[in-house]
Amino acid sequence: GAVVSQHPSWVICKSGTSVKIECRSLDFQATTMFWYRQFPKQSLMLMATSNEGSKATYEQGVEKDKFLINHASLTLSTLTVTSAHPEDSSFYICSARPTGEPGYTFGSGTRLTVV
Amino acid sequence: AQSVTQLDSQVPVFEEAPVELRCNYSSSVSVYLFWYVQYPNQGLQLLLKYLSGSTLVKGINGFEAEFNKSQTSFHLRKPSVHISDTAEYFCAVSDTSGTYKYIFGTGTRLKVLA
Repeated sequence: GAVVSQHPSWVICKSGTSVKIECRSLDFQATTMFWYRQFPKQSLMLMATSNEGSKATYEQGVEKDKFLINHASLTLSTLTVTSAHPEDSSFYICSARPTGEPGYTFGSGTRLTVV
Repeated sequence: AQSVTQLDSQVPVFEEAPVELRCNYSSSVSVYLFWYVQYPNQGLQLLLKYLSGSTLVKGINGFEAEFNKSQTSFHLRKPSVHISDTAEYFCAVSDTSGTYKYIFGTGTRLKVLA
């Protein structure tokens, strides 16, 4: 089945630094990937839609300059949290699907802690 | 616009008892329906999905769900739960074309008691 790898699983960074999270589709190509943020005991909040070869589409209220998304190939999307602050601490999850198939596979998530 | 409602935020149940997690949706167009499970500090794992055909869908780990179009529901059931089923369960709907973007429910925490 479709496998999505997300790295790192957890990261601790200092306030003001940037952190990059990778999302890879291992056995399929994905023109579209989604990035979510999840607060404790809450549902997933869609942050942005990552489109291969074009600009990401951000949901309302998500800062484009803080959460930079790059989808340079059909198997890799990255989310960079720039100038991270403690309020950016959260669980970030990506998802992808084989082109033309419904149903998304999710990465294992990244726990970001900003100190 | 689509929406998903999971009425039960928490469901406690004793081990080996049956369980039903409720999911209702609202949509003016046809939808695909999904149930995912999330264990602590992990991503979401697909339990089952309804795309078309038989309204009774069987998934992994002994779970099944029934699509009821008239009641716009897609309830998840398991006849006998295990301690290891303790997790968060999310229902999701998507369009049947385009990017298939998900709308998630708020989740139901299943707590299996010994």
